[in-house]
Amino acid sequence: AAGVIQSPRHLIKEKRETATLKCYPIPRHDTVYWYQQGPGQDPQFLISFYEKMQSDKGSIPDRFSAQQFSDYHSELNMSSLELGDSALYFCASSSGATTGELFFGEGSRLTVL
Amino acid sequence: GENVEQHPSTLSVQEGDSAVIKCTYSDSASNYFPWYKQELGKRPQLIIDIRSNVGEKKDQRIAVTLNKTAKHFSLHITETQPEDSAVYFCAGIQGAQKLVFGQGTRLTINP
Repeated sequence: AAGVIQSPRHLIKEKRETATLKCYPIPRHDTVYWYQQGPGQDPQFLISFYEKMQSDKGSIPDRFSAQQFSDYHSELNMSSLELGDSALYFCASSSGATTGELFFGEGSRLTVL
Repeated sequence: GENVEQHPSTLSVQEGDSAVIKCTYSDSASNYFPWYKQELGKRPQLIIDIRSNVGEKKDQRIAVTLNKTAKHFSLHITETQPEDSAVYFCAGIQGAQKLVFGQGTRLTINP
């Protein structure tokens, strides 16, 4: 069965650079979530989209932005990167018809040097 | 908003023994409580979930119980095996569908 696809899987950037992460949800899933997980931490909710509209916002820095496109894929754009942005970024998707069942991608590991 | 507290933060049990992880939540409107297992550097994987209209759910060696009155739910793993070693996260729903995770429990199964 198709799963959530994230790219790139690994990314190394310098401070103050920008980075873009992509997420392709499971087919027919209409909701996408972005989570950030630092080392030894629980996943922290950043932002979500439902039917291409932002549906919820969490602890996402102003330097970050995201959107969901017409094909339901989503991109997380991160600018002015800081050392503290180094983390695993997970995308998850769900169907609005089924409350709560989130399916996670493999994650994108961002390292900021 | 929803706040999920999880304990213990670390748990070590002998192979074959049982492990119990507990979580409390704050939002009485929450109605969905999943448990995720996460191995180092990998994605969280759903292992079991429970909805607020039931008090207990079991899947082979894994069970989850929910006490809505006390606003807590627990994960029970019986006959633990080395491959059960991982970090386990509970979660609750806030708002439309946003999952709020607990702090995680690092479970170690000693052979």
